[in-house]
Amino acid sequence: GDSVTQMEGPVTLSEEAFLTINCTYTATGYPSLFWYVQYPGEGLQLLLKATKADDKGSNKGFEATYRKETTSFHLEKGSVQVSDSAVYFCALSRGNEKLTFGTGTRLTIIP
Amino acid sequence: GAVVSQHPSWVICKSGTSVKIECRSLDFQATTMFWYRQFPKQSLMLMATSNEGSKATYEQGVEKDKFLINHASLTLSTLTVTSAHPEDSSFYICSVSSYNEQFFGPGTRLTVL
Repeated sequence: GDSVTQMEGPVTLSEEAFLTINCTYTATGYPSLFWYVQYPGEGLQLLLKATKADDKGSNKGFEATYRKETTSFHLEKGSVQVSDSAVYFCALSRGNEKLTFGTGTRLTIIP
Repeated sequence: GAVVSQHPSWVICKSGTSVKIECRSLDFQATTMFWYRQFPKQSLMLMATSNEGSKATYEQGVEKDKFLINHASLTLSTLTVTSAHPEDSSFYICSVSSYNEQFFGPGTRLTVL
């Protein structure tokens, strides 16, 4: 079945550091790939997505590229801020609206 | 995007009682809603797909008689945990499907004593 594996946290970085959160997936066909973010006390919000190979999703300075050859969708940001502290979830969907999530990575940015 | 609320945000109950959790789509008529369960330090697991006016579709391993889902209107779906036990303690999250994107509620923390 489908699965998503993302790097375990927690991840703690200093402000302005470079961020990478790894995500790989297992699925047949060509799934759509997503990153969701959950800020403290709030529901999950879509951060970015990519629907086909080599697509790059981007939002709020975050980027992720759909790599079919490595079945990966790593999340990156060049310079993180304290406000980026949250839990990040990688997910996939095969077009039927059902989402398969990774375990989530808690990110803490210290000033 | 759609705005989704859940009520209550947290609930504590005694073992053997039933608990109802509401999921409301505040600004969108949702024919499809999803219910997830999240264990500490684990992923969100899809429990069921709630369809307005019809029976919910449960994922494999989820007891339909244990987790009753009612999607009676386009803005409200309810999840009732019947005869709750401590192992049902978890974080329950609903989402609304709109134009192939899901919008999530803030979640309900259930603690069964």
